[in-house]
Amino acid sequence: GENVEQHPSTLSVQEGDSAVIKCTYSDSASNYFPWYKQELGKRPQLIIDIRSNVGEKKDQRIAVTLNKTAKHFSLHITETQPEDSAVYFCAASISGADYKLSFGAGTTVTVRA
Amino acid sequence: DGGITQSPKYLFRKEGQNVTLSCEQNLNHDAMYWYRQDPGQGLRLIYYSQIVNDFQKGDIAEGYSVSREKKESFPLTVTSAQKNPTAFYLCASSLAMAGGYEQYFGPGTRLTVT
Repeated sequence: GENVEQHPSTLSVQEGDSAVIKCTYSDSASNYFPWYKQELGKRPQLIIDIRSNVGEKKDQRIAVTLNKTAKHFSLHITETQPEDSAVYFCAASISGADYKLSFGAGTTVTVRA
Repeated sequence: DGGITQSPKYLFRKEGQNVTLSCEQNLNHDAMYWYRQDPGQGLRLIYYSQIVNDFQKGDIAEGYSVSREKKESFPLTVTSAQKNPTAFYLCASSLAMAGGYEQYFGPGTRLTVT
């Protein structure tokens, strides 16, 4: 099955700085890569996703890049704000009948004021 | 945040007892999922269902059972065979499974077994 590794496990940034989280995947057949954000005590929510036919996708202050050759993808958060403090999970899935998601272990991001 | 609910929020059980966690959605989604969340391990898939009356094992199905008798409901039973049942359990649903649709998560149930 798919194996997703996520780094770093914790990340502390100064407000206004950028944050980058990296994930690698093992199965070259994976072609859908979502990112979920889980605030403390709340449920995970999708913040951005990318499919293998594009290399980069942006949505305001967040962006995701995908390198299919190297089998890794990254989440970039610019101009971080206190509300960006949360646990972020990357995931990967293989297209086909079921699109099961394999999640990374998560990155706890803390934005310091 | 509405649309998919889980109950109860906290659940306490004695070792050796089976316990059923509820998951209901009113989003008219075909696919439903159960995940287990442990610190430092991300979300691990227990069971999933693409359609009523059909479900498949995920990566860590041992010691768990599910049913999908209605589109709206996907209860999870944690049996006494599950060696380490204390965890945070998340239910999710999506429009369909194929195609990479967004998964919507419930608020979760924290199960403590002593």
